[in-house]
Amino acid sequence: AQKVTQAQTEISVVEKEDVTLDCVYETRDTTYYLFWYKQPPSGELVFLIRRNSFDEQNEISGRYSWNFQKSTSSFNFTITASQVVDSAVYFCALSVRPTGNQFYFGTGTSLTVIP
Amino acid sequence: DAGVIQSPRHEVTEMGQEVTLRCKPISGHDYLFWYRQTMMRGLELLIYFNNNVPIDDSGMPEDRFSAKMPNASFSTLKIQPSEPRDSAVYFCASRARSMNTEAFFGQGTRLTVV
Repeated sequence: AQKVTQAQTEISVVEKEDVTLDCVYETRDTTYYLFWYKQPPSGELVFLIRRNSFDEQNEISGRYSWNFQKSTSSFNFTITASQVVDSAVYFCALSVRPTGNQFYFGTGTSLTVIP
Repeated sequence: DAGVIQSPRHEVTEMGQEVTLRCKPISGHDYLFWYRQTMMRGLELLIYFNNNVPIDDSGMPEDRFSAKMPNASFSTLKIQPSEPRDSAVYFCASRARSMNTEAFFGQGTRLTVV
């Protein structure tokens, strides 16, 4: 069975602090994709990143970075020097080969950045 | 492309009424998904289509829910009759191919059944 766990329900940080959002996934398949989405207060779901199971390279995009570790089945997301605009709910998702057409979403982490 | 377009953005209806939510996917995308988001259950997949054909509707909660995709550019999700517990945000998403692509979501329809 496929599962994504985001253990942190809510996180609050003060602006300019770094914050890491955890994502742990479960799957028996060797081929899978992991995703992060952002849901700001306006409500839409915005795609942030996609990572396949064969690529464990970490990725950095501006203040955002992602750490993929197959050994711990984790795909964590770090925001450096957080800003108020980063306040949102962040979802981690998994897509696997046998049921490759649907996403398994975590329950989300609500991030509040305090000015 | 304008992205995934959903209408209406907000819908308030009385219990027992029929509700129809609409979605226009991104042109060229083969897959269309309907999700429901609530505080209690998070994001739930209701149904998805591949090339206009329903593939998996196991997430549709009851027979009161039905979805159609008459062509590649339009899909509807209908609830008849609606109940207060159907109140949620309903998202439509489309995807170009299979697992190695991301899904793009519409802005959602916030449904309130009173």
